[in-house]
Amino acid sequence: KAGVTQTPRYLIKTRGQQVTLSCSPISGHRSVSWYQQTPGQGLQFLFEYFSETQRNKGNFPGRFSGRQFSNSRSEMNVSTLELGDSALYLCASSLAGVSYNEQFFGPGTRLTVL
Amino acid sequence: KNEVEQSPQNLTAQEGEFITINCSYSVGISALHWLQQHPGGGIVSLFMLSSGKKKHGRLIATINIQEKHSSLHITASHPRDSAVYICAVHNYGQNFVFGPGTRLSVLP
Repeated sequence: KAGVTQTPRYLIKTRGQQVTLSCSPISGHRSVSWYQQTPGQGLQFLFEYFSETQRNKGNFPGRFSGRQFSNSRSEMNVSTLELGDSALYLCASSLAGVSYNEQFFGPGTRLTVL
Repeated sequence: KNEVEQSPQNLTAQEGEFITINCSYSVGISALHWLQQHPGGGIVSLFMLSSGKKKHGRLIATINIQEKHSSLHITASHPRDSAVYICAVHNYGQNFVFGPGTRLSVLP
């Protein structure tokens, strides 16, 4: 079975731009969660989607948004990029959700904001 | 006070040693996860626990719900176990909260 894939793997943007990251879950998994990892704050939960609906949301500003498609693929969008948005963005998929099942992580997208 | 704390922050061990990493949390939880992150960023889920104890190969994870505490043990440690180990809890507020991680180095 193919693992979780994320595209692109690396991205460089400038302040004020917007960015869209993509995550393809393991086949059959209906839950996709997104996380941000920075050296200062560590890993932080962004949001979780299940069957195209946002189920949970972390403590991030509205510039961070996401969506999930009918094939369970998910995208997250960050608008009006700030220097502090430079981070490793990870997605993870599971059968039914974070609190019920093991999470399978993708390799991450490393975003650099200049 | 952070909702999830880990100790120690850093740990260096000799190959073959028995290792324990501790996690304590302050909120009610529905599940606790232990994650392993290697240099380069890749994260692997090691265990998901809601009670008791689980074992997988040389790894053992335990949780005490009353004491809000979990431990990850590595028996017969090996240099390939060198990684950051992260405890994460799923709280009843439906958020997923991570500990700061424990950086483990196992020397040959």
